[in-house]
Amino acid sequence: DGGITQSPKYLFRKEGQNVTLSCEQNLNHDAMYWYRQDPGQGLRLIYYSQIVNDFQKGDIAEGYSVSREKKESFPLTVTSAQKNPTAFYLCASSIGSGQPYEQYFGPGTRLTVT
Amino acid sequence: KQEVTQIPAALSVPEGENLVLNCSFTDSAIYNLQWFRQDPGKGLTSLLLIQSSQREQTSGRLNASLDKSSGRSTLYIAASQPGDSATYLCAVRPRNRDDKIIFGKGTRLHILP
Repeated sequence: DGGITQSPKYLFRKEGQNVTLSCEQNLNHDAMYWYRQDPGQGLRLIYYSQIVNDFQKGDIAEGYSVSREKKESFPLTVTSAQKNPTAFYLCASSIGSGQPYEQYFGPGTRLTVT
Repeated sequence: KQEVTQIPAALSVPEGENLVLNCSFTDSAIYNLQWFRQDPGKGLTSLLLIQSSQREQTSGRLNASLDKSSGRSTLYIAASQPGDSATYLCAVRPRNRDDKIIFGKGTRLHILP
């Protein structure tokens, strides 16, 4: 089955700790994205990558970091600098970028920081 | 700056009724518009993608229309069922160099059995 996997589904961390969220896709897509979803605020773009070894900041990149060493993987690290990290995080991918390609989403990871 | 609005934020209708969800956007320079469904605690499932050159797309009981000139899209759901209860989001891909899509905040739909 082709698709996007995110792990874990639920993640709990203490304040001050960095945490890495996994996103893997086997769709052979070039472009990958990370969004944050908070109640009543819709989806906000954190980072995106159009090709391996390259990525760009989205609208709310502060306190987050990413890497894109492999085409199929785009992990997101939530650092201790992120002031309000508790949220639902969604990973997405599309065939390419700069074109009207459809976006596909993973099942999400709910992060709770206490 | 492109903005996407979905009104109402929540909607309840009796089972079996036909219904329309609305999406409006401020800039008509778009590549496409996509409708998604999201169940509580889950990711987004793509329902329909309408390219800028198209007027509508259909999938089963769903029909999405696009009027770029007026900045509007509608998602029509025929013969609604309790299983249609979910949040529906629309998103546009602006025609610019940024590889970003802009989401509305969604309409939370509840079908009453």
